[in-house]
Amino acid sequence: DQQVKQNSPSLSVQEGRISILNCDYTNSMFDYFLWYKKYPAEGPTFLISISSIKDKNEDGRFTVFLNKSAKHLSLHIVPSQPGDSAVYFCAASGDSSASKIIFGSGTRLSIRP
Amino acid sequence: DTGVSQDPRHKITKRGQNVTFRCDPISEHNRLYWYRQTLGQGPEFLTYFQNEAQLEKSRLLSDRFSAERPKGSFSTLEIQRTEQGDSAMYLCASSPPGEGYGYTFGSGTRLTVV
Repeated sequence: DQQVKQNSPSLSVQEGRISILNCDYTNSMFDYFLWYKKYPAEGPTFLISISSIKDKNEDGRFTVFLNKSAKHLSLHIVPSQPGDSAVYFCAASGDSSASKIIFGSGTRLSIRP
Repeated sequence: DTGVSQDPRHKITKRGQNVTFRCDPISEHNRLYWYRQTLGQGPEFLTYFQNEAQLEKSRLLSDRFSAERPKGSFSTLEIQRTEQGDSAMYLCASSPPGEGYGYTFGSGTRLTVV
């Protein structure tokens, strides 16, 4: 049973435009949500997080939105840059100490010139 | 701070052999995690240590898998009697005490069982 779902395995966006990556979750006990970015041959890198008490968190070009009623979160990247091409994982945890994080299957983002 | 270090980076082994991987977390991080990632999937939780105590194990971690963190610093993950289905990337991560932190992952050990 996949508790964190990323239904788009891939996404292609033109450089300079907005990239929107989506994620759905099923477990209402999740309290903390994270996005990770992964380049080939490297481990995932923490990007941005959001607590369930918030509906938006912004860090530079990256903004995460949380809709608890819909059990949906999204990552917005604007403007998209070539270095953003990577696999993005949505993840969730039952608490902000992140003792155990459940990951989605990832979305491969490609930024085209 | 050299980040989370994993050794070896790659391991090819014959089915039925035992393998052991090592993870050195960031020194001030008291939490250490092992994950497994197969092609096209996200990392799957295997086990979690806080200092030397193993606090949680996934059902994915069969009896052939064992993890240790004897002094609360580095950790080892051993797989006994490897099977082809064990072929995957094994990722180690660590995090500091407190709240609001994501993990820092190592680059992983890629295991191929032939």
